[in-house]
Amino acid sequence: EVQLLESGGGLVQPGGSLRLSCAASGLTFRSFAMHWVRQAPGKGLEWVSGLIGSDANTHYADSVKGRFTISRDNSNNTLYLQMHSLRAEDTAVYYCAKTLAASPNWFDPWGQGTLVTVSS
Amino acid sequence: EIVLTQSPGTLSLSPGERATLSCRASQSVSSYLAWYQQNPGQAPRLLIYDASKRATGIPARFSGSGSGTDFTLTISSLEPEDFAVYFCQQRRSWPLTFGGGTKVEIK
Repeated sequence: EVQLLESGGGLVQPGGSLRLSCAASGLTFRSFAMHWVRQAPGKGLEWVSGLIGSDANTHYADSVKGRFTISRDNSNNTLYLQMHSLRAEDTAVYYCAKTLAASPNWFDPWGQGTLVTVSS
Repeated sequence: EIVLTQSPGTLSLSPGERATLSCRASQSVSSYLAWYQQNPGQAPRLLIYDASKRATGIPARFSGSGSGTDFTLTISSLEPEDFAVYFCQQRRSWPLTFGGGTKVEIK
């Protein structure tokens, strides 16, 4: 069974940095594209970033471009999201998601999420 | 950016009834549309991808249809666990986008 476990969330001041991790098990991690999706409290889903194959093939939402960096460590089956210059509007639950083998951009399954709160 | 508009915002139905949820795209996404279910306090779950393909383990009462700009998720007979929020998502172009969601609540 595929399991994704996010960590690294917490309270950070505006302008601060945080690195999220997503530990994957039950899959050949290197074979799948991976993504981060976030959900602000009481709101809908917002795709944040995706890594398709190698670290060279990354995509970002305009709202985080230049501030967030997605990467992976295939030897440790871990996905990362480095976040800098955090803003109040980045407050959300951050989910990592594996993709279907048949498609790099359908999310299945999702981790349980980690909460990031940006506040002074 | 492709904008996905879901309607209605809330659907009030009784168990056993049929639910019909709509997702409209601001431009054609071909068949590159998926549906997710999210229960309170839980992560979303993939139900339908490529507009009409059921994900692994998804019951047959869930079905998807449509192409281009208009899509429908149908739940043929609502079970108690189906009362949740449903999101559509497109992968036709970057950035990937989600609809605002439809809440299916118990009437």
